Amino acid sequence: TQLLEQSPQFLSIQEGENLTVYCNSSSVFSSLQWYRQEPGEGPVLLVTVVTGGEVKKLKRLTFQFGDARKDSSLHITAAQPGDTGLYLCAGFPGRFYFGSGTKLNVKP
Amino acid sequence: NAGVTQTPKFQVLKTGQSMTLQCAQDMNHEYMSWYRQDPGMGLRLIHYSVGAGITDQGEVPNGYNVSRSTTEDFPLRLLSAAPSQTSVYFCASSIGGGWNYGYTFGSGTRLTVV
Repeated sequence: TQLLEQSPQFLSIQEGENLTVYCNSSSVFSSLQWYRQEPGEGPVLLVTVVTGGEVKKLKRLTFQFGDARKDSSLHITAAQPGDTGLYLCAGFPGRFYFGSGTKLNVKP
Repeated sequence: NAGVTQTPKFQVLKTGQSMTLQCAQDMNHEYMSWYRQDPGMGLRLIHYSVGAGITDQGEVPNGYNVSRSTTEDFPLRLLSAAPSQTSVYFCASSIGGGWNYGYTFGSGTRLTVV
């Protein structure tokens, strides 16, 4: 059983659609991070959220940390093919634990 | 470009062989770590180091050794390769190991043990 559960596991959408992916746990986190990983490369940090209820925006990406600091969501508006990749969340209770990711494919 | 450099990119080993995966960073980061990535399992921590001369085990350390003689380098040694060690290995570094630091990852080593 993993500490962080990400859903959905796979998502295939058309360019221009909106989407939300989720990262859930029963544990409380000091912080939660989101990474994007492209094929053949290592994960790249997108954002760190720290405060319960916090919302951060990065261009078309909106990240939200749950009020109880147990879950997070990533919303992408008007997805583009360049958004294709594996999205990983990582939560910190003592050290960072990673979820298994959501694999997003955005078709032109 | 500054960052984390991993070598080799690909490796095929026979069962029982040993090898060292190299990791170097030029950002003067104190914290370095090794992960393996397997389908459906996420990134699992093998070993980590909070500074030169200090290493500790993660959640899947069996079959792997590490050492940290300099701030820059953190090699991972496979003592006697097994098919279960077939995976993609990532080295990551950070200014520190705390909740407020993000990781910089290398581009990975894809290892196949036959």
